[in-house]
Amino acid sequence: NAGVTQTPKFQVLKTGQSMTLQCAQDMNHEYMSWYRQDPGMGLRLIHYSVGAGITDQGEVPNGYNVSRSTTEDFPLRLLSAAPSQTSVYFCASRRTGDMPQHFGDGTRLSIL
Amino acid sequence: AQSVTQLGSHVSVSEGALVLLRCNYSSSVPPYLFWYVQYPNQGLQLLLKYTSAATLVKGINGFEAEFKKSETSFHLTKPSAHMSDAAEYFCAVSPFSGGYNKLIFGAGTRLAVHP
Repeated sequence: NAGVTQTPKFQVLKTGQSMTLQCAQDMNHEYMSWYRQDPGMGLRLIHYSVGAGITDQGEVPNGYNVSRSTTEDFPLRLLSAAPSQTSVYFCASRRTGDMPQHFGDGTRLSIL
Repeated sequence: AQSVTQLGSHVSVSEGALVLLRCNYSSSVPPYLFWYVQYPNQGLQLLLKYTSAATLVKGINGFEAEFKKSETSFHLTKPSAHMSDAAEYFCAVSPFSGGYNKLIFGAGTRLAVHP
């Protein structure tokens, strides 16, 4: 049972480039979320999804796009990378009625 | 808006000493509360959760936390620190207003344990 799998683990981009951070879970969880972690700020919610075809914005959605075409996958897209998006990104999932979220190991993204 | 405040960005204790990590939340309706631990270069691991049942919650690795509504607090404790407890700890709240779909995190407390 792999849990929540994030790829890639590390990535360096140039300003203006686009990329997709992948997140997949094999636990058949309905809810999936993306967070970014910055020093001294804890984790902040970017986008989340309560099921396939349904997404909503979190606290810091600007510059990011998501879609949820399947239960298993919840990719996060950076449309035009900016240095302010340098961060560690975590994907999480949980099942209905189960409060705790299960986290992936993170993607460390640097934008030059 | 709901928020979480963790008092002390760094806490240092001796091995065998009491660990106390402080967390206060703001919420008009009692929320669900969590403590997560993050070891270097890893994701977050759930330590314990409060979901309106018993106010004293026991978690993994000997940690526990007490929900005090009157103080809007959810402090994390461990009677005797171990070197392996060195990590960053995050308190988080899942507010009812968000349908419990959102987690709001505190800024984190880095725990150091010295011999």
